[in-house]
Amino acid sequence: NAGVTQTPKFRILKIGQSMTLQCAQDMNHNYMYWYRQDPGMGLKLIYYSVGAGITDKGEVPNGYNVSRSTTEYFPLRLELAAPSQTSVYFCASSSETHTEAFFGQGTRLTVV
Amino acid sequence: GEDVEQSLFLSVREGDSSVINCTYTDSSSTYLYWYKQEPGAGLQLLTYIFSNMDMKQDQRLTVLLNKKDKHLSLRIADTQTGDSAIYFCAESGGTGSYQLTFGKGTKLSVIP
Repeated sequence: NAGVTQTPKFRILKIGQSMTLQCAQDMNHNYMYWYRQDPGMGLKLIYYSVGAGITDKGEVPNGYNVSRSTTEYFPLRLELAAPSQTSVYFCASSSETHTEAFFGQGTRLTVV
Repeated sequence: GEDVEQSLFLSVREGDSSVINCTYTDSSSTYLYWYKQEPGAGLQLLTYIFSNMDMKQDQRLTVLLNKKDKHLSLRIADTQTGDSAIYFCAESGGTGSYQLTFGKGTKLSVIP
């Protein structure tokens, strides 16, 4: 099992550009999450999904969109990149009981 | 809303024990977790404790939970240089969902 795979690992965007952060998991987990981690801060939840076709906002959803057409994939979309979205983004997945969330390696995004 | 607080830095000598402390505010938290993040990497689950337990031991790791004071601690025995990392306390289940609420992380530095 590869676990949770995120691509790309690094990206630089110009203000106003858009991009999609990819996330895939091969553990057949229903729950998937997107977090952002700002320097010296804990992780903040952006969006989450409890199953294919179901998504919901987390603590900091503004400026982002998600979709969950299949169990495996949970892409995060930035439509109009802003400097405030410079951060490290982590995707995670968990089983029903959520006794363990598996994290991807992260995507480091810089908006200039 | 829910809040998780940790001290930001801890420095210990190799071979000593490390104790990382965390407080949380949500009394309905179901699970409490300790995650480890090494530089440039994603989060790795170290251990977790269910809220009806007061202690859990796993090799060099001991988790203590004082539910009355909403205080969680992680003790690492015989701390090694490889233990140098950021340690995040997190809680889940408090809002009836499986989202994780993270502290800001404690940076553990191990002095050889």
